Amino acid sequence: GENVEQHPSTLSVQEGDSAVIKCTYSDSASNYFPWYKQELGKRPQLIIDIRSNVGEKKDQRIAVTLNKTAKHFSLHITETQPEDSAVYFCAADAMKTSYDKVIFGPGTSLSVIP
Amino acid sequence: DTEVTQTPKHLVMGMTNKKSLKCEQHMGHRAMYWYKQKAKKPPELMFVYSYEKLSINESVPSRFSPECPNSSLLNLHLHALQPEDSALYLCASSPAGSNTEAFFGQGTRLTVV
Repeated sequence: GENVEQHPSTLSVQEGDSAVIKCTYSDSASNYFPWYKQELGKRPQLIIDIRSNVGEKKDQRIAVTLNKTAKHFSLHITETQPEDSAVYFCAADAMKTSYDKVIFGPGTSLSVIP
Repeated sequence: DTEVTQTPKHLVMGMTNKKSLKCEQHMGHRAMYWYKQKAKKPPELMFVYSYEKLSINESVPSRFSPECPNSSLLNLHLHALQPEDSALYLCASSPAGSNTEAFFGQGTRLTVV
């Protein structure tokens, strides 16, 4: 079935450094790739998303890149701050089986060390 | 109003109890979701309603029963749960299904004793 893999599972960086999280997906029909941030005890919130007709998207310190041929997409956070510490989930829509389903990756726990 | 509101925030129930979780959104979203989330794991899809009709049931045990009374409300009825059902239950909505942003509620922390 459809699958989204995510690496690394944990990531520690020094404040001010960059963080990169990588995901791969299996459904070649997927067209929408959101990233959610979940702080401890809080709800997942969308931080950025990208569609298959775009290779890169940037929003201030956050950027996402997509390689449809390789079925890879990545989240890049620059100038990390302690408040970036959270679990980050990548996701892909499961268009092959359902218009309403999103497949989540297993998550990356990011710690930014002051 | 860009909020998805869930009640209650916390719930402790015995294995013989019947309880309901409630979710409300007033953004006009046509898709509403129930997810179950265990600690340090991603949200796990349980049910999807599209235009108030059940479109996905991810083989969820019948002790979980969803209901969508109208386009703004989503309920999850719980009966005869097991301790392993203890988790964070998240409701979400999206404007047009899986290729649009999902807005999550703050969740109900459920403990089954």
